[in-house]
Parts: sequence; structure tokens; C-alpha cells
Amino acid sequence: AQSVTQLDSHVSVSEGTPVLLRCNYSSSYSPSLFWYVQHPNKGLQLLLKYTSAATLVKGINGFEAEFKKSETSFHLTKPSAHMSDAAEYFCVVSDLSRDDKIIFGKGTRLHILP
Amino acid sequence: EPEVTQTPSHQVTQMGQEVILRCVPISNHLYFYWYRQILGQKVEFLVSFYNNEISEKSEIFDDQFSVERPDGSNFTLKIRSTKLEDSAMYFCASPGGRGYGYTFGSGTRLTVV
Repeated sequence: AQSVTQLDSHVSVSEGTPVLLRCNYSSSYSPSLFWYVQHPNKGLQLLLKYTSAATLVKGINGFEAEFKKSETSFHLTKPSAHMSDAAEYFCVVSDLSRDDKIIFGKGTRLHILP
Repeated sequence: EPEVTQTPSHQVTQMGQEVILRCVPISNHLYFYWYRQILGQKVEFLVSFYNNEISEKSEIFDDQFSVERPDGSNFTLKIRSTKLEDSAMYFCASPGGRGYGYTFGSGTRLTVV
């Protein structure tokens, strides 16, 4: 069975400092992994995805994530936070063997301090 | 970029009433999904729909819920006899091809009073 754990429910960083949102996964098969962002009262937007190609994945808005199989991790990073990055971030795992049904982590709310 | 369109964006209904949430997925996609997010909680899988049939459903998706494809392009999620705990954001999604993630609609916020 697949699952995903987001280790922090809330993360606060100052504007201009690095962002790290942690995610660990469990999957019986070769997983596909995604990060989605949800701004207040908005829908879910795909930030980036890992699908067994390059382990370092670059996404939109300067975010990137690194797939580390040995650590079963897919942490999301950004070198310099911007006020507009304040949102809820979801780490998601998809099992290619089961019609791509995806499982969401519980989410991490990112707060940006001025 | 392909879009998934959901209507209405917000619906308020009285407890016990029936609601129908609508979604227009990305065209030519055979798979289609509904997810739910109760305020402050994680996004939960409800049901997947493939080629006009339910392919998988979660424990949440009981007899109170049904999914239909009334006209070949639109999908509906019907919730009969709504309860207060059905208040949530409901998202529909189309897959972007195997292993390529989903495109989500902007959601319908359902408020049961």
C-alpha cells in the first residue's frame, strides 16, 4: 500500500530565506511523486512531478524537489521565499500499477514572515 | 493548458437536501476522479470513474453518493440527503497521462446548513 507523510503541518520562514517542506513516502511499486500547492480559497495546482527520470525535479515559481530512494523522501525546496509562496502544500504519491490513483499527504501550511 | 471546469464554485444547501456538483474534465480522458477536502483536513479520495463505470471507491463513498456521466462530456457527483459533515471542498480531476499527475478543477465549496 502506498502512503505519504508530510512531517510538518506548519512551516514559517522569513521572506528571502530558504524553504524546506519535508515529505516521506511509502510505495510497493515504483512511485510517481508530486507536489501540489493550494492558495487560500483556490484549487490545487501542480508544482512539479517526479516520474522516474531525473531525481532532481524543477517546478514552477522556483521550487524544486529531489527524489531520494534510499531515504524514501521527496522534499520540496526553494532558495528564497517570496510572500506569494504562502499557501498549503501537498505531497502526493501515485501508484502506476493502480490506474494512477493518487494519495495526498496531510499538507504543510507555509507562512512567510515579512 | 487543458482545464477541468467545475460548477458551481460555491453551493449552500439545507441539511437533508440533494445536491449535484458538476465537472467538465479534459476531453478524451477516460479516467475521472472526485476528491473531497473538509476544511482544515487532508484531501481524500472519493471515487474513480473509468469508461462510464466506477472503477474504485473509498469508504467515504457510500450509498449517499453517486457519480454519473449524463451526456458524454459532463460528470456529476450527486449527494443525497446531505449532512452537516458533508460540508467540504469537492474537487474533480482528470489524469494527465500515466504517471503525469492530475489536473484539478478549482473545486466546489459545499456548505450544508
